[in-house]
Amino acid sequence: RKEVEQDPGPFNVPEGATVAFNCTYSNSASQSFFWYRQDCRKEPKLLMSVYSSGNEDGRFTAQLNRASQYISLLIRDSKLSDSATYLCVVNRNGGSQGNLIFGKGTKLSVKP
Amino acid sequence: NAGVMQNPRHLVRRRGQEARLRCSPVKGHSHVYWYRQLPEEGLKFMVYLQKENIIDESGMPKERFSAEFPKEGPSILRIQQVVRGDSAAYFCASSPPSGGLNEQFFGPGTRLTVL
Repeated sequence: RKEVEQDPGPFNVPEGATVAFNCTYSNSASQSFFWYRQDCRKEPKLLMSVYSSGNEDGRFTAQLNRASQYISLLIRDSKLSDSATYLCVVNRNGGSQGNLIFGKGTKLSVKP
Repeated sequence: NAGVMQNPRHLVRRRGQEARLRCSPVKGHSHVYWYRQLPEEGLKFMVYLQKENIIDESGMPKERFSAEFPKEGPSILRIQQVVRGDSAAYFCASSPPSGGLNEQFFGPGTRLTVL
């Protein structure tokens, strides 16, 4: 089993749609979880950290289910500028430092 | 505030040459990480350094690759005797001193092409 698994997509949605991405991770000791976005041939950029209680940032909502080792990202009212690859990321170590494990990403394409 | 800086942005080497990639972390960040991204693949961890110390090099190939983060100056990822399979984007990330969630911030990357 891969350490972090995501549906590669692509997800092709119209502007204004709501889209959800899911991710599972294998290391139950992981403590930190993130969503990054990566535009074509660019560096990953931190979109949001994922907290145990779930958290929201504007049109973006992240959820964490530790029992199922499952993370989700919901994007409401999709914009053309949301088109990118969304990376589910988990801190390998249980502590606060250490390397990150990246999923291969889910590609989103928002069409007019 | 400047983010993570990497140079060069693009590097072309012939097989057998050496490649040196440099990374300057965000000011005040004491942790540096190197990742590699092969075409159409996800990012893979290579090495984690603090000033003058290698903390975790479990992702580094055993031969030809080395990394350092000296007391003064940028972090360096060095690849000796490059081969075509080393062609990839190499990203550096930094994070603040211990504590928090370990949010890492990435530089723009160095794209290495081996001819």
